[in-house]
Amino acid sequence: NAGVTQTPKFRVLKTGQSMTLLCAQDMNHEYMYWYRQDPGMGLRLIHYSVGEGTTAKGEVPDGYNVSRLKKQNFLLGLESAAPSQTSVYFCASSYSQGQPQHFGDGTRLSIL
Amino acid sequence: GNSVTQMEGPVTLSEEAFLTINCTYTATGYPSLFWYVQYPGEGLQLLLKATKADDKGSNKGFEATYRKETTSFHLEKGSVQVSDSAVYFCALSRRNNNDMRFGAGTRLTVKP
Repeated sequence: NAGVTQTPKFRVLKTGQSMTLLCAQDMNHEYMYWYRQDPGMGLRLIHYSVGEGTTAKGEVPDGYNVSRLKKQNFLLGLESAAPSQTSVYFCASSYSQGQPQHFGDGTRLSIL
Repeated sequence: GNSVTQMEGPVTLSEEAFLTINCTYTATGYPSLFWYVQYPGEGLQLLLKATKADDKGSNKGFEATYRKETTSFHLEKGSVQVSDSAVYFCALSRRNNNDMRFGAGTRLTVKP
């Protein structure tokens, strides 16, 4: 069972470069989420989506954009990467609000 | 706002020792409470959950009871194993809210 798949697993960028992280889920979940994980801070919600074609801001949305063109995919974009965006990024999905979330294995992103 | 506070780690125990990881929460309404576990290099996995006061979640020998009077959801295990070494996250989610809040995580190391 694939569950939630994130690509790439690792990436190094230079300040100012752009990139897109891809998340795909095969569980037919309506809800999808992007988090960042930083030491001592747990996970913080960047953006989320409650269905195909919808997106909304989370706790720390600045510097990121997202798109949900297909139900199974949720893309996270960095238009102009900054060193403060060095982090581990996790995608998650859930069947509905308040339900347990299923996580991918993460993308480790370093901005030099 | 909604928030979760976990005991700070790291926690180091010997095999077969008793484990308690404290978690308290602040929330309006009646949140659902979760414990997630993260093994090295992996995403978070749901360990157990409780959706209303006095509910006890349990899985793989771990237990946690939803205590509304003390706003707590402490994780316990009677006899830990080396394979339990991981980072544990307490989280809360409100039914009509898409923002799941995570604690900072507690790293557990179990030594043989």
